Amino acid sequence: ETGVTQTPRHLVMGMTNKKSLKCEQHLGHNAMYWYKQSAKKPLELMFVYSLEERVENNSVPSRFSPECPNSSHLFLHLHTLQPEDSALYLCASSQVYGAAKNIQYFGAGTRLSVL
Amino acid sequence: TQLLEQSPQFLSIQEGENLTVYCNSSSVFSSLQWYRQEPGEGPVLLVTVVTGGEVKKLKRLTFQFGDARKDSSLHITAAQPGDTGLYLCAGWAGGTSYGKLTFGQGTILTVHP
Repeated sequence: ETGVTQTPRHLVMGMTNKKSLKCEQHLGHNAMYWYKQSAKKPLELMFVYSLEERVENNSVPSRFSPECPNSSHLFLHLHTLQPEDSALYLCASSQVYGAAKNIQYFGAGTRLSVL
Repeated sequence: TQLLEQSPQFLSIQEGENLTVYCNSSSVFSSLQWYRQEPGEGPVLLVTVVTGGEVKKLKRLTFQFGDARKDSSLHITAAQPGDTGLYLCAGWAGGTSYGKLTFGQGTILTVHP
């Protein structure tokens, strides 16, 4: 068990829809991450929240909007997406500070298809 | 921008064969990790190496961190079908209080019975 749960596991949406991805971690971590995983490309870091503060926003289009209401929950709000946004979206968590801060635990991901 | 180049991208072998996956960069990393990802799942951490020249063994898997901390390798002895999956290397360059990792593009390993 990874301790990081993502819902939904699969999502199909039209370009005009609004949907949200949810991530919850039960590991007592205080940093959370969103990644995009596309075929034949390295994992792309999208957003990082550390101690509930957004500390990374890697040139992600505004149609992706993250929210971190507390250290255990992370959301990715989606609106007016494009077909090229179809991918596996992974959530991860880690400690902040200390020797284990670079060890990330991943959820199973949400497979997103934009029609 | 730091990059990690993984090779090969695809590897298809028979059960019992040995294999090595490489992860190379021109940048120095404070630590490097290897993850394995199975279809429909997220990456799962296999090992972290932090010292130049370090070698770690995990059953039939041997991980090595280069002396200059710019490269790493994963060697699997007597591969089994259960080793099939996507292998990812990820480096942490330091300088942040959280784990900002750079990932390689991955190696898809298929082990045939």
